[in-house]
Amino acid sequence: QVQLVQSGAEVKKPGASVRVSCKASGSTFTSYYLHWVRQAPGQGLEWMGVINPGGGSTYAQSFQGRVSMTRDTSTSTVYMELSSLRSEDTAVYYCARGPGDLNPFDHWGQGTLVTVSS
Amino acid sequence: SYVLTQPPSVSVAPGKTVTITCGGNNIGNNNVHWYQQKPGQAPVLVIYYDNNRHSGIPERFSGSKSGNTATLTISRVEAGDEADYYCQVWDGSGHVFGTGTQVTVL
Repeated sequence: QVQLVQSGAEVKKPGASVRVSCKASGSTFTSYYLHWVRQAPGQGLEWMGVINPGGGSTYAQSFQGRVSMTRDTSTSTVYMELSSLRSEDTAVYYCARGPGDLNPFDHWGQGTLVTVSS
Repeated sequence: SYVLTQPPSVSVAPGKTVTITCGGNNIGNNNVHWYQQKPGQAPVLVIYYDNNRHSGIPERFSGSKSGNTATLTISRVEAGDEADYYCQVWDGSGHVFGTGTQVTVL
């Protein structure tokens, strides 16, 4: 049974950085693409980027320069770090698994609420 | 950037059929996926590659595509189908989600 378990809620001040983790179990960690998607309160889904099985990453243009996605294969965990936070970054952040870069996302984490407030 | 347009909301009576559209330029050239999201929960894959049901999804859910529009159809609607629905494509440089449609079961 594939499971993606994310870290807990965070509260950050504007200008700070946040790191959210996503621990995978039940599948071969290095065989899948792990994406990050966020959802602002009352809004739709926004794709942020992906880390591939080789450890490389691709980011959505709107997050270029502010986001970094990494992984630790020893613990089957991927990380998403977003810097220079502003109030508009307040959202629920999801990790999601895809069999390939272009494939749909067949399993999702439970989501992590990040609140940016002074 | 690529835009996928969905109606903000649709309403349907139990037992009836509802269709949710997803419009995008040349969407016929893209594979379309659909997700269901209930309040406070993560999205769930419903339909992939235009018209394939994900495991565990009832046969009442189906997908199709024609011209510049993809469509998710829910037949014999149940109260438990009340949720937000999003379409998704890969536009060549990234994944794009539709604007989302809230389905209300009357």
